[in-house]
Amino acid sequence: DQQVKQNSPSLSVQEGRISILNCDYTNSMFDYFLWYKKYPAEGPTFLISISSIKDKNEDGRFTVFLNKSAKHLSLHIVPSQPGDSAVYFCAARSGQGGATNKLIFGTGTLLAVQP
Amino acid sequence: GAGVSQTPSNKVTEKGKYVELRCDPISGHTALYWYRQSLGQGPEFLIYFQGTGAADDSGLPNDRFFAVRPEGSVSTLKIQRTERGDSAVYLCASSLTPRLAGNEQFFGPGTRLTVL
Repeated sequence: DQQVKQNSPSLSVQEGRISILNCDYTNSMFDYFLWYKKYPAEGPTFLISISSIKDKNEDGRFTVFLNKSAKHLSLHIVPSQPGDSAVYFCAARSGQGGATNKLIFGTGTLLAVQP
Repeated sequence: GAGVSQTPSNKVTEKGKYVELRCDPISGHTALYWYRQSLGQGPEFLIYFQGTGAADDSGLPNDRFFAVRPEGSVSTLKIQRTERGDSAVYLCASSLTPRLAGNEQFFGPGTRLTVL
């Protein structure tokens, strides 16, 4: 049972345009969401996060939106740059009163930004 | 400052053998995590240490897998009687104490384990 889903395995965007990566989740106990970027042969790199008590968090070109009623979050990158080409993972943490800090990841979306 | 480091970067072993994978977390990070990533999948949680103790080992697939962190810093993931299905990239991450800081986990480059 996939609790975090990224239904688009890949996305291609022109340089300078907006990239929108989507993520859906099923567990209403998730209290924190994160986006990671991964290049080949490297570990995931933290990008941006959002607490479940917020609906938006912005950091430079990256903005994450959270819609709790729809159990949906999205990552917006604007403007997109060729260096943004990578696999993007959505991850969620189950609160459980702080008993665990494990992350549950989606399967990733491969973003290709065309020059 | 140095990030999370993992050794070896690649490990090839034969079915039935024992392997150890090492993780050096970021200095000062009290929390340490192991994940594994199979081809086409996202990282899958294995175990979480807070200090020296395993706070959550619910992700370990069976009793062939074991991890230690005896001094609250370096951790070793141990796999006994390896099977071909254990082949994956094993990722280590560390973070500050989750209750005191954000929940961002910082990952190492991983160890690619291949079981022949």
